[in-house]
Amino acid sequence: AQKVTQAQTEISVVEKEDVTLDCVYETRDTTYYLFWYKQPPSGELVFLIRRNSFDEQNEISGRYSWNFQKSTSSFNFTITASQVVDSAVYFCALSEVNYGNNRLAFGKGNQVVVIP
Amino acid sequence: DTAVSQTPKYLVTQMGNDKSIKCEQNLGHDTMYWYKQDSKKFLKIMFSYNNKELIINETVPNRFSPKSPDKAHLNLHINSLELGDSAVYFCASSPATSGVHNEQFFGPGTRLTVL
Repeated sequence: AQKVTQAQTEISVVEKEDVTLDCVYETRDTTYYLFWYKQPPSGELVFLIRRNSFDEQNEISGRYSWNFQKSTSSFNFTITASQVVDSAVYFCALSEVNYGNNRLAFGKGNQVVVIP
Repeated sequence: DTAVSQTPKYLVTQMGNDKSIKCEQNLGHDTMYWYKQDSKKFLKIMFSYNNKELIINETVPNRFSPKSPDKAHLNLHINSLELGDSAVYFCASSPATSGVHNEQFFGPGTRLTVL
């Protein structure tokens, strides 16, 4: 069963628009971690953020912000005022403490295309 | 200084061959991983080692054999390559902190093409 769902496969936005990427996860663990990674066209995987299940504070880092809601099992990611350099595939991932040995279960990714 | 490095970056080979991919990390991490990314970009864990000990072995064909000579290296050997093995293989590492799942640092990937 898919533990992490990223429903939007490809999202195109015009530069300077905001874009929100949805991530819904599924777990029976009470302790878990959520991550976002970016994969630009060059192919490497770049870590963006880690959140544990006890920390529901939203986070902002520059133009990036994350909204964690345990009640809806969602960990959404917003890019504000998008730029062409934001064009990439973004992956949400889950790591469960009581099951998983720190393995990352990835969603299928959101391909973001920022049009100049 | 490259944190997690993989060699080779590209590997093109014929079906039936045996090949290896090497991974090294200079971050002092205890745990290393292999992930496979298929043509649809889906990333899936294959193996994980902690201090040279195998701790995750997903349902991967036994043609795939990881080897960890020391905690800074995790190599992946693949026997009798098949067309379906074509993918990008990522190595990753993370520090081991009890009760905490730290972020994993990924290598640049090895694109394997089986002809």
